[in-house]
Amino acid sequence: SQQGEEDPQALSIQEGENATMNCSYKTSINNLQWYRQNSGRGLVHLILIRSNEREKHSGRLRVTLDTSKKSSSLLITASRAADTASYFCATRHNDYKLSFGAGTTVTVRA
Amino acid sequence: EAGVVQSPRYKIIEKKQPVAFWCNPISGHNTLYWYRQNLGQGPELLIRYENEEAVDDSQLPKDRFSAERLKGVDSTLKIQPAELGDSAVYLCASSPFVGAANEKLFFGSGTQLSVL
Repeated sequence: SQQGEEDPQALSIQEGENATMNCSYKTSINNLQWYRQNSGRGLVHLILIRSNEREKHSGRLRVTLDTSKKSSSLLITASRAADTASYFCATRHNDYKLSFGAGTTVTVRA
Repeated sequence: EAGVVQSPRYKIIEKKQPVAFWCNPISGHNTLYWYRQNLGQGPELLIRYENEEAVDDSQLPKDRFSAERLKGVDSTLKIQPAELGDSAVYLCASSPFVGAANEKLFFGSGTQLSVL
């Protein structure tokens, strides 16, 4: 079963704009990870945030985690056409299982 | 460094036929995962290996699916017989350490299976 749920399911933005997507989960986590998947390819790890962290940055990516609300957000700033992809949150639980959500499809228009 | 290698890239079979997928993880990675990804969905775990031991196969439909990881390196996932509902992308992933929670996964490009 999939633990995380992303919102929105799909997002279309203009190049240069920011993209924000959210992830909610049900049970306590060890960490939460975000992955990107380009069409027809495997997933690529973007960023990991531990349960005791609240915010993390990596380049144009900013991730927040609110364990009290069991939610996380991924912000991509100054989007580019190459950011067009599906984005998945994955939650790592104490049994080491990594469970993925259904993903947010992001389309960046030139 | 070479990434996770999967083959074949695509496979089309008729229902009730057997099919096998092969995965070569990144050298030195002890943990190997097989995931299934249905169209428009996220990956769902089928089985996780730590070295050659299957430590989590609770989601593997054991009546028709089998997997092995001989010598703790390459892995094969088999379906016999295949059903129409098995059409999906089968993804292999690996990570460096056994039992390490704060580890990211490295994914292969997947095998896209179509069962007709």
